[in-house]
Amino acid sequence: KQEVTQIPAALSVPEGENLVLNCSFTDSAIYNLQWFRQDPGKGLTSLLLIQSSQREQTSGRLNASLDKSSGRSTLYIAASQPGDSATYLCAAFSSGSARQLTFGSGTQLTVLP
Amino acid sequence: GAGVSQSPSNKVTEKGKDVELRCDPISGHTALYWYRQSLGQGLEFLIYFQGNSAPDKSGLPSDRFSAERTGGSVSTLTIQRTQQEDSAVYLCASHVVRGTEAFFGQGTRLTVV
Repeated sequence: KQEVTQIPAALSVPEGENLVLNCSFTDSAIYNLQWFRQDPGKGLTSLLLIQSSQREQTSGRLNASLDKSSGRSTLYIAASQPGDSATYLCAAFSSGSARQLTFGSGTQLTVLP
Repeated sequence: GAGVSQSPSNKVTEKGKDVELRCDPISGHTALYWYRQSLGQGLEFLIYFQGNSAPDKSGLPSDRFSAERTGGSVSTLTIQRTQQEDSAVYLCASHVVRGTEAFFGQGTRLTVV
């Protein structure tokens, strides 16, 4: 059974810092890995999707990497802004018989002005 | 539509009553998933529909939960004889096909009193 872990659970940084959020998964047989952002009381907003054959994806100030062999993904946020404050979730889409997203518990990010 | 639409956004119900939650996926998306997000449990898979195939119900927590998808579009999640432990945010996601990028609705916050 796939298990996804996110470290740290919470992170507080001053505005302008670059930061890295970590995600690890136990079963490397994944189809893809997706990073989401969730604001309080809201649904999930897709940030980046990395296919299993890819190593990284970039969108603006965000860069996500994937290392299937070690079961790890990182989300790099450059030049953080207060508007980046949210909970960030990673989710692995398994390629086995259980084809659904397995989510980590999230990293709650606060960017201080 | 422009995005995944869920209704109602909030629902308060008395213990023992039945509730219906609705999800309207992005037009043309063939895969539709239901997840539940509760405090201390994170996001957990409930059920998914892919085209006209039989749904995967392996995540439904009890036989009080059921879901249907009519005409390959709108889906309804029904919870019978609600219990307090059913209180959570119920999220719906659609994909072009299973395994592609997931797009989530804003969720339905269910409170059972």
